[in-house]
Amino acid sequence: DVKVTQSSRYLVKRTGEKVFLECVQDMDHENMFWYRQDPGLGLRLIYFSYDVKMKEKGDIPEGYSVSREKKERFSLILESASTNQTSMYLCASSNLLGETQYFGPGTRLLVL
Amino acid sequence: GEDVEQSLFLSVREGDSSVINCTYTDSSSTYLYWYKQEPGAGLQLLTYIFSNMDMKQDQRLTVLLNKKDKHLSLRIADTQTGDSAIYFCAEGDTGFQKLVFGTGTRLLVSP
Repeated sequence: DVKVTQSSRYLVKRTGEKVFLECVQDMDHENMFWYRQDPGLGLRLIYFSYDVKMKEKGDIPEGYSVSREKKERFSLILESASTNQTSMYLCASSNLLGETQYFGPGTRLLVL
Repeated sequence: GEDVEQSLFLSVREGDSSVINCTYTDSSSTYLYWYKQEPGAGLQLLTYIFSNMDMKQDQRLTVLLNKKDKHLSLRIADTQTGDSAIYFCAEGDTGFQKLVFGTGTRLLVSP
């Protein structure tokens, strides 16, 4: 069974704090993705990575950065958290020729 | 750019059939997916269809694809209260397999 885990289920941070969200997959997948989910907007892609140290911007990269130092781990970084980054963050992974993405349980982030 | 649209809400009674609809704009999509998200959880893949297929059936789930109209539907037969969730359709191609998701349809099943 594919397993994608995220470091926290719930997180509360203050405006201006640096926030790290971590994602780990155990299936040796090449591709990893970070989305945010907001009511009425569905899932929007923030960044994705198709290999170690490689990253590509998604549809809404502003205010975020990512890091992929190891194949199994993909981190999302909020350099200076703002209240409009309060959201549910979902990580996913897929193999290079895979038919779908596998999702983690999500991290609900509240920025006060 | 690519766009995937769904209605936001659907309410049915237990035992009825549910039909969730989706329209997409990218005619080059290779795969079309349905995902389910239960409260407080991530997304899980329910089923998918290749773009060269018209229909796929998997137990209580039937997926219909009208490629000409770029319309995808998910029918759930004998809907149960456990089917209450948000359902997302998504389109994707091969390569890096970047998916475009719809806004999600919240299905509420009442006893």
